[in-house]
Amino acid sequence: SQELEQSPQSLIVQEGKNLTINCTSSKTLYGLYWYKQKYGEGLIFLMMLQKGGEEKSHEKITAKLDEKKQQSSLHITASQPSHAGIYLCGADNSDKLIFGTGTRLQVFP
Amino acid sequence: SAVISQKPSRDICQRGTSLTIQCQVDSQVTMMFWYRQQPGQSLTLIATANQGSEATYESGFVIDKFPISRPNLTFSTLTVSNMSPEDSSIYLCSVEGWGQGKINYGYTFGSGTRLTVV
Repeated sequence: SQELEQSPQSLIVQEGKNLTINCTSSKTLYGLYWYKQKYGEGLIFLMMLQKGGEEKSHEKITAKLDEKKQQSSLHITASQPSHAGIYLCGADNSDKLIFGTGTRLQVFP
Repeated sequence: SAVISQKPSRDICQRGTSLTIQCQVDSQVTMMFWYRQQPGQSLTLIATANQGSEATYESGFVIDKFPISRPNLTFSTLTVSNMSPEDSSIYLCSVEGWGQGKINYGYTFGSGTRLTVV
């Protein structure tokens, strides 16, 4: 079965700093999703990547899928307290979504 | 993308009892998914529910413990049976978010049910 490993597990950064979260798959990724979860709430869809080398940006968040389609990164530029939460990568696996281990982000002023 | 209404949003239950969680979608969808998120953990898929057929359960989850109904294309329920404190988790339903023109909005999730078993 496919497994997704995220790193780091948790991250504490000062407001204004850049940060990167990685998601590594044990198998080729045919659809990679990034979600954000505010503590105790539902999931917010951020971006989806499908093609090797693909990169998408929304506001200050950029996600990339490597050429081999086994690793994705999520980069946040000039972090703000509103970016705090749990970031989850998810992979399409036989018409269902499986999730990575998660990264907890805290941003302090 | 689809809008999901999930209820209850939270509940505190006695061990040995059962709780049924409802998930209503504002559009017809083929597959609905149920996830569990244990405290401090990521999401784990419990089962996939198709209308008109039995749900497909993931390894580690059984129908007797988590019976699922899918009576039509916009509604599903998940029951957590004979609960124990280990069942304390957030339970979420999800649908695939295809919009008009096959634009993929990603999988859409309900707001979750926070279950505490005492």
